[in-house]
Amino acid sequence: ETGVTQTPRHLVMGMTNKKSLKCEQHLGHNAMYWYKQSAKKPLELMFVYSLEERVENNSVPSRFSPECPNSSHLFLHLHTLQPEDSALYLCASSQAGRDTQYFGPGTRLTVL
Amino acid sequence: AQSVTQLGSHVSVSEGALVLLRCNYSSSVPPYLFWYVQYPNQGLQLLLKYTSAATLVKGINGFEAEFKKSETSFHLTKPSAHMSDAAEYFCAVSPLSGSARQLTFGSGTQLTVLP
Repeated sequence: ETGVTQTPRHLVMGMTNKKSLKCEQHLGHNAMYWYKQSAKKPLELMFVYSLEERVENNSVPSRFSPECPNSSHLFLHLHTLQPEDSALYLCASSQAGRDTQYFGPGTRLTVL
Repeated sequence: AQSVTQLGSHVSVSEGALVLLRCNYSSSVPPYLFWYVQYPNQGLQLLLKYTSAATLVKGINGFEAEFKKSETSFHLTKPSAHMSDAAEYFCAVSPLSGSARQLTFGSGTQLTVLP
């Protein structure tokens, strides 16, 4: 595998389910990001992990919970989601302090 | 706070015609600026970036962009459109420093190339 990979690519879940999105980067980076891409809206940064520091967008609901066990892996844990959470969730990575982020293909999430 | 405005959510050009996608930024100091492209069902791919070196930046696939501080603009151009250029294009801005460079994106411009 090369670059940034995300699994699953598609996910359909009910409002009461618990699921997790996974991201893995193979670029030797040490910063990882979660973005939400909704129709008709700009990409929204949700969470950043960089050099063990976590930065979060205060507008993200608590039903989204990130986890970064090491510099290569990033998870987004989902529980009791709402239909408006349906979106494309993109993961990205970069070298901390460097400007270029590399994106994965995204997970298309549908909440029923 | 930094922000980006992309003028025109949809742009259509004929194959072989000039592509011009507009981006204006708002920042207290000139930031780093980026153009990303997103093909259907894919993530974002970096086209080019401005990081305070040359104001005319060349990217992949024949695209280039010019940083104009006086106009706070970073418009993306390509002299001759190809069918494969049909995609969504995003302009983004990031601060000059910090371990976690938080990108702020514009709303995107959907480019359609007509045969």
